[in-house]
Amino acid sequence: EAGVVQSPRYKIIEKKQPVAFWCNPISGHNTLYWYRQNLGQGPELLIRYENEEAVDDSQLPKDRFSAERLKGVDSTLKIQPAELGDSAVYLCASSPGQGSYTGELFFGEGSRLTVL
Amino acid sequence: AQKVTQAQTEISVVEKEDVTLDCVYETRDTTYYLFWYKQPPSGELVFLIRRNSFDEQNEISGRYSWNFQKSTSSFNFTITASQVVDSAVYFCALSEGNTGNQFYFGTGTSLTVIP
Repeated sequence: EAGVVQSPRYKIIEKKQPVAFWCNPISGHNTLYWYRQNLGQGPELLIRYENEEAVDDSQLPKDRFSAERLKGVDSTLKIQPAELGDSAVYLCASSPGQGSYTGELFFGEGSRLTVL
Repeated sequence: AQKVTQAQTEISVVEKEDVTLDCVYETRDTTYYLFWYKQPPSGELVFLIRRNSFDEQNEISGRYSWNFQKSTSSFNFTITASQVVDSAVYFCALSEGNTGNQFYFGTGTSLTVIP
């Protein structure tokens, strides 16, 4: 069974440039998460989807970050324009649960963003 | 307030030594779940264990064991006879029942096992 796939693995851009990350969750997983992990820190939730609906985006900086999961499968996270402080690893995770199910998360390898 | 606290930032042990990673959590919910994840240098977080708030039985899986104590709000993780392959960052996480699938991660403990 294929795991969570993310691309690109690495991205280096200059500040004020746009960037997009893509995630394909495990087949059949309804719940998809985007996390940001700063160096030496734990993952912090940016947005959570149940199918195509964003059910928790309270931590997403909406002035520059956007995300979509149009068909309830793969998802894209965009930053425009990027700032120096956005340098981090962006992790995508999925889980088969929905609503109050609190199962394990399956993570991708992450997309490491460096903003110069 | 931090919901999950991992006070140990970095730990180094010599191979074959036992090591315990501490995790303290904070929640007002009566239903919650606790997790440990391993993040090797490749970056992908790997699930190790899930515990629900109603099950305080300690668990052992090979060289890994977990000690869940609600009285002290702790969920500690012990690796027995550590190996070089255990070198990674370990994260403790909390999921509260009332908020569904919201996971709160600690800041992680970086474990280095020296051969």
